[in-house]
Amino acid sequence: DGGITQSPKYLFRKEGQNVTLSCEQNLNHDAMYWYRQDPGQGLRLIYYSQIVNDFQKGDIAEGYSVSREKKESFPLTVTSAQKNPTAFYLCASSTRIFSNQPQHFGDGTRLSIL
Amino acid sequence: SQQGEEDPQALSIQEGENATMNCSYKTSINNLQWYRQNSGRGLVHLILIRSNEREKHSGRLRVTLDTSKKSSSLLITASRAADTASYFCATLGSNDYKLSFGAGTTVTVRA
Repeated sequence: DGGITQSPKYLFRKEGQNVTLSCEQNLNHDAMYWYRQDPGQGLRLIYYSQIVNDFQKGDIAEGYSVSREKKESFPLTVTSAQKNPTAFYLCASSTRIFSNQPQHFGDGTRLSIL
Repeated sequence: SQQGEEDPQALSIQEGENATMNCSYKTSINNLQWYRQNSGRGLVHLILIRSNEREKHSGRLRVTLDTSKKSSSLLITASRAADTASYFCATLGSNDYKLSFGAGTTVTVRA
């Protein structure tokens, strides 16, 4: 079955620690995205990538970093500079960037502070 | 940036009834999409309607788009318990070409 796999499902971060959230897709999609979801709010775009070795900042990129070394993978690192990291993080992909094609989502990673 | 706003924030209906939720947005769009999210899960795409379309159907779902009023509605007919979820509209802007999500409508279908 094609889809997007996010891991881990739950993650805890200690003070001053960087943590990395994994996102893998086998849909052969060029575009990938990271969103943050807080309670009662819509999704906010952190980073997006149109193609391998290329990525762009979204609306709330501060305190986060990404890489896109492989088409299938788009890991997100939450750095110690992100002072309020507690949220639900969603990874998505689509055939083309921001187009008339829908985005496909993983089942998310819930990040909490220890 | 959050462009779409759903109304109502929450909706509780009896199984078999219809559920209607609305989405309003502020700037011109390329398309508008509706997604469903079950508790603790990712979003699932339901329907995409382009700016030059007025109505689309998919099974028990009907979406309308009024670009003059900058609004859209999602109708779920003959609701089932499995329709209990949060529903989000997302707009693809004509100018910035990013997908902006609203805060969602939480729908509870009572058996």
